[in-house]
Amino acid sequence: AQSVTQLDSQVPVFEEAPVELRCNYSSSVSVYLFWYVQYPNQGLQLLLKYLSGSTLVESINGFEAEFNKSQTSFHLRKPSVHISDTAEYFCAVSVNNQGGKLIFGQGTELSVKP
Amino acid sequence: KAGVTQTPRYLIKTRGQQVTLSCSPISGHRSVSWYQQTPGQGLQFLFEYFSETQRNKGNFPGRFSGRQFSNSRSEMNVSTLELGDSALYLCASRPGPSDTGELFFGEGSRLTVL
Repeated sequence: AQSVTQLDSQVPVFEEAPVELRCNYSSSVSVYLFWYVQYPNQGLQLLLKYLSGSTLVESINGFEAEFNKSQTSFHLRKPSVHISDTAEYFCAVSVNNQGGKLIFGQGTELSVKP
Repeated sequence: KAGVTQTPRYLIKTRGQQVTLSCSPISGHRSVSWYQQTPGQGLQFLFEYFSETQRNKGNFPGRFSGRQFSNSRSEMNVSTLELGDSALYLCASRPGPSDTGELFFGEGSRLTVL
């Protein structure tokens, strides 16, 4: 069975500092990997995804994640965070042909302080 | 293009009652998934529908059921409500079952069971 572990439940950082949100997964088959963001009282929005190809994927707002198959990780990074990045971030995996069924990690609450 | 629409946004029920939640997917999307989000259990997959057929089901009791209509709109029903059913219920849509890209989430229906 697949599972996702987000190693940090809360990450406080100061504005303009770099941040890394860690995600490890376990699966015996190939997976697709996603990072979703949830702002207060809203649904989830896709931040970025890895399906195949280049192991480094980037979002339009400066986040990036690197798929590391040997370490079964998909950590999310941003070199300089903004107050507006404050939100909860979820790592998720899906197995081939089950794209509607995502296995989510427990979430990491990113709090950016001025 | 309108996003995923869920109704109602908030509702309060008492133990033993039943509830029906509605989801209208993005126009042209034919696959609808449902998730339950709670502070303790996080995000858990309930079920996915495509062409009025349930394609995948999570590990929830039979009190949780769903259906999809010919226009792709979906409903989920929870019977004999328990206190532990209090949660944010999220609906997500995608174009079709073979699409491996993102899920588009609604803002959710927040259910409180008293």
